[in-house]
Amino acid sequence: ELKVEQNPLFLSMQEGKNYTIYCNYSTTSDRLYWYRQDPGKSLESLFVLLSNGAVKQEGRLMASLDTKARLSTLHITAAVHDLSATYFCAVDPAGDMRFGAGTRLTVKP
Amino acid sequence: NAGVTQTPKFQVLKTGQSMTLQCAQDMNHEYMSWYRQDPGMGLRLIHYSVGAGITDQGEVPNGYNVSRSTTEDFPLRLLSAAPSQTSVYFCASSYPSSGEFFGQGTRLTVV
Repeated sequence: ELKVEQNPLFLSMQEGKNYTIYCNYSTTSDRLYWYRQDPGKSLESLFVLLSNGAVKQEGRLMASLDTKARLSTLHITAAVHDLSATYFCAVDPAGDMRFGAGTRLTVKP
Repeated sequence: NAGVTQTPKFQVLKTGQSMTLQCAQDMNHEYMSWYRQDPGMGLRLIHYSVGAGITDQGEVPNGYNVSRSTTEDFPLRLLSAAPSQTSVYFCASSYPSSGEFFGQGTRLTVV
């Protein structure tokens, strides 16, 4: 059974600090997605990683994919309050998307 | 473009009632899907479709039916509502291997 595990599940960090969220998955997949969800809102696509070694950056967020290790990371640089949200990773090795449980990020002044 | 439109936004059902959650997209996406989101959990895939006339089961399909007669529409039917189906339901659409566009969600309560 495909499992997608994120850690940490909860992350409280100060503004200006760096941190990394990890996403491990249990079966082969060349595609990995990162999404953001604000409280009470829908999900927004952040990154689509389509091959081993893929790296994408948008603002203070950078995502990478290591398909051999079945690991993706979402790195946060110099966090700001606006990044407070829940971040989900997801994989779809056979067309059926599986999500991690999410990392709830709180950035404090 | 409206994107992905879900209706209704809120619904209360009695146990045993049936209903249909509507989902429509205007982006000509082939892939559409339905998820449920429960507190403290990620999204779980209920059913998905890779094109008109083609549907498949996801991780948690029991108690739900779908059909895809057009590219634009992908309704989700609850056959006989149960309290365990209380959840927030999201519809999404995408091109292959691209990030999904999500609707605003339907908050369903079954009493």
